[in-house]
Amino acid sequence: KAGVTQTPRYLIKTRGQQVTLSCSPISGHRSVSWYQQTPGQGLQFLFEYFSETQRNKGNFPGRFSGRQFSNSRSEMNVSTLELGDSALYLCASSLAGAGETQYFGPGTRLLVL
Amino acid sequence: KNEVEQSPQNLTAQEGEFITINCSYSVGISALHWLQQHPGGGIVSLFMLSSGKKKHGRLIATINIQEKHSSLHITASHPRDSAVYICAVPNQFYFGTGTSLTVIP
Repeated sequence: KAGVTQTPRYLIKTRGQQVTLSCSPISGHRSVSWYQQTPGQGLQFLFEYFSETQRNKGNFPGRFSGRQFSNSRSEMNVSTLELGDSALYLCASSLAGAGETQYFGPGTRLLVL
Repeated sequence: KNEVEQSPQNLTAQEGEFITINCSYSVGISALHWLQQHPGGGIVSLFMLSSGKKKHGRLIATINIQEKHSSLHITASHPRDSAVYICAVPNQFYFGTGTSLTVIP
């Protein structure tokens, strides 16, 4: 069974631009969660989607948004990028929710200049 | 105060040593998750446990629900165990800041 995939793996953007990251979960998994990881803050929860609905949301500004498609693939979007958005963005999938074992993708490393 | 606290933050050990990483949490949990992150970013799930003890190879995880404390033990540590170990409360999306382990040959 293929693992969680994320695209792109690396991205360089400038302040003010927007970016869209993609996550394909393990086949059959309906829950996708997104996390931001920075050296100073560690792993922080962004949001969780289940069956195309946002089920949980972390404490991030509205510039961070996401969606999930009918095939469970998920995208997250960050608008009006700031330098502080430079981070590793990870998604994780599970069968039914974050309370189960989650399987993480390799991450997308975003650098904002 | 963080909802999930880990100690130590950094740990250096000689190959073969017994290692313990601690995790304390202040919230109610349905289960606690131990994760391993190698340089380069990939995260692997090690254990999900809600009571007692689990063992996988040289890794052992224990949890005491009453004391809100969990430990991850590595027996006969090896340089390939060098990684960041993170405990998490998955149902509430809280994470510890991680313990960076370096095992020296």
